[in-house]
Amino acid sequence: QVQLAQSGAEVKKPGTSVKVSCKASGGTFATYALSWVRQAPGQGLEWIGGIIPDLGPPNYAQEFQGRVTIVADESTHTAYMELTSLRSDDTAVYYCAAIWLQVIYWGQGTPVTVSS
Amino acid sequence: QSALTQPASVSGSPGQSITISCTGASSHFADYNYVSWYQQHPGKAPKLIIYDFSNRPSGVSSRFSGSRSGSTASLTISGLQAEDEADYYCSSYTTSTAPWVFGGGTKLTVL
Repeated sequence: QVQLAQSGAEVKKPGTSVKVSCKASGGTFATYALSWVRQAPGQGLEWIGGIIPDLGPPNYAQEFQGRVTIVADESTHTAYMELTSLRSDDTAVYYCAAIWLQVIYWGQGTPVTVSS
Repeated sequence: QSALTQPASVSGSPGQSITISCTGASSHFADYNYVSWYQQHPGKAPKLIIYDFSNRPSGVSSRFSGSRSGSTASLTISGLQAEDEADYYCSSYTTSTAPWVFGGGTKLTVL
C-alpha cells in the first residue's frame, strides 16, 4: 500500500508561484510513476506532468511547459510541483498520484486559490 | 474537449445495472496503455475503482467491473445503490511519464 500526504491549502496572488509537496510512504518510492493532476472548480481532471524518481527528467503537459517544475527527493520520499506565473484560471485542487505495481494511489488534494 | 469521450450523464434506479463508456483513439488503447476508472464524490479526491481495464483494487466492491472492446472501455455498476451517485472518470495512462488523458466525466444519478 502507498499513502500520499500533500501540503495544505494555498492562497496566492496572480503572477506569483506556488509549490505543493507530496510525501509518500509505502512501496518503493524510486520506482513510482508519480504524476500531478489538477481539477478546476466544477471541471474535470487535467494531467500536469510526471516523473519516475529513479529514471531521470520529468515530462510536462504542453500547456504547462515553461511554468511548471516537478522534482522528486528520494531522501525524503517527497515530490514537489511548482507552478509559476500564476493566473486566476490556475485556481484548482492539485493532486499527486503514484502508480506502483499497476495500482494508482492519490493524495488528498491541495486547494490552490489565485486571487488578487 | 477531452481526449476520451464519456457520456455526460447516466441514471438508474436502485438495484439496476448501468454501463458508462469511454471511447478514445487507438493510441490510447495500444500496448502498454491502460485504462482506469475513478469515482468522485463532491469535494473528495478521486477514488480508484478499476485499473488496467478490469482490475479492482482491494476494498472496492465487486459490483464495479471494467471491460474493453477495441477502442472503448466500459465501466459497469451492478446492483445500484444510492451511495454510487457520483462523478465517474476514465483515464488512459502508462507506467512511464507519458501523459495521462482523461474523459470529461459522467454524472451518475441514482433515481
